[in-house]
Amino acid sequence: EAQVTQNPRYLITVTGKKLTVTCSQNMNHEYMSWYRQDPGLGLRQIYYSMNVEVTDKGDVPEGYKVSRKEKRNFPLILESPSPNQTSLYFCASSPGGALHFGNGTRLTVT
Amino acid sequence: KNQVEQSPQSLIILEGKNCTLQCNYTVSPFSNLRWYKQDTGRGPVSLTIMTFSENTKSNGRYTATLDADTKQSSLHITASQLSDSASYICVVSGSGGSNYKLTFGKGTLLTVNP
Repeated sequence: EAQVTQNPRYLITVTGKKLTVTCSQNMNHEYMSWYRQDPGLGLRQIYYSMNVEVTDKGDVPEGYKVSRKEKRNFPLILESPSPNQTSLYFCASSPGGALHFGNGTRLTVT
Repeated sequence: KNQVEQSPQSLIILEGKNCTLQCNYTVSPFSNLRWYKQDTGRGPVSLTIMTFSENTKSNGRYTATLDADTKQSSLHITASQLSDSASYICVVSGSGGSNYKLTFGKGTLLTVNP
């Protein structure tokens, strides 16, 4: 089944403890991206990648890192999480048209 | 500044009724406009994508229209069902490729009551 898989679905952590949210797609898409969704603000792009080893900042990249070492994986790294990064995170991939989203990761930073 | 404004913010209708959601954008230059449906707790799912030359596109009971001159789009839902209850998000793509520089609206929350 064609899908975008994010892990974990839920994560509670403490300020400053490094974490990684994984994202994997099995559709051989070149484009992948990360978003956060907050009440009243909608979806905002964090980082995107047009292909392997090619990444670029979105609208809200501060406090986040990404890597794209292989086509299928696009992990989101929070080196030192802070409470303002508490949010619902979505990964997406695309062949060039519609985005295919994962089911989200709800992160709480205390 | 590129912006996408959606209205209304929320809407409640009875099952079986029709409704229309609005999207106004100021993204320029324009590549394409997409409508997504997001069920509670799930990732958005694509409904339609329209390019500059397309005025209307349908996907079952969903029909999207685009007026590139006035920079307006609408999503019409016919004969609504309880499963249509969701947030509907308008997304506009700027220049540089299909997924480059996406601007998201904040969504319209639709509730369909029996």
